[in-house]
Amino acid sequence: GAVVSQHPSWVICKSGTSVKIECRSLDFQATTMFWYRQFPKQSLMLMATSNEGSKATYEQGVEKDKFLINHASLTLSTLTVTSAHPEDSSFYICSARPPGLVGAFFGQGTRLTVV
Amino acid sequence: QKEVEQDPGPLSVPEGAIVSLNCTYSNSAFQYFMWYRQYSRKGPELLMYTYSSGNKEDGRFTAQVDKSSKYISLFIRDSQPSDSATYLCAMMGGNEKLTFGTGTRLTIIP
Repeated sequence: GAVVSQHPSWVICKSGTSVKIECRSLDFQATTMFWYRQFPKQSLMLMATSNEGSKATYEQGVEKDKFLINHASLTLSTLTVTSAHPEDSSFYICSARPPGLVGAFFGQGTRLTVV
Repeated sequence: QKEVEQDPGPLSVPEGAIVSLNCTYSNSAFQYFMWYRQYSRKGPELLMYTYSSGNKEDGRFTAQVDKSSKYISLFIRDSQPSDSATYLCAMMGGNEKLTFGTGTRLTIIP
């Protein structure tokens, strides 16, 4: 099956610093990738759609200046949480859909803890 | 009203039992219906997807879609402790965006 790799799997950072999370499609090219956020015992909330070579599309209520998304190549999208605060602590997951296949494939997720 | 409703459980059943997981939805534009399994602290894993109304079987798993009732189900036969996880239904229309249910936490008791 298609493989989406996410790095790091967990990170702890100090309040006020920035954290970058990488999402890679290892065996296919993805013009579109998706970033989700998941709180404990809750479902996935779509944050933004990452588009290769163009600006990301953010869902309502998601601060684009805080969650910077870059999709510079067909296999890599990055999410940078800027000036992180404890309320940004969450599980962040990316996904991508291989061409011709139904359903998205997800990365392993990144658990961010801001202290 | 949420676009996708899913009973969050938790649901506990003995090993070997048949498990039934369900979701309802309100958006008629949904065309694809998927079931994901998510283990704790991991990303979701695609189990099955269906496009039209009817049944689709894959080993011990059967996905069922009833578009007229806007109701989908996932059945797990001969449930195993390794099936213990959170199961999420997801639906997609023409814009590639997935809309997820809240997930049902399932525990199979040995």
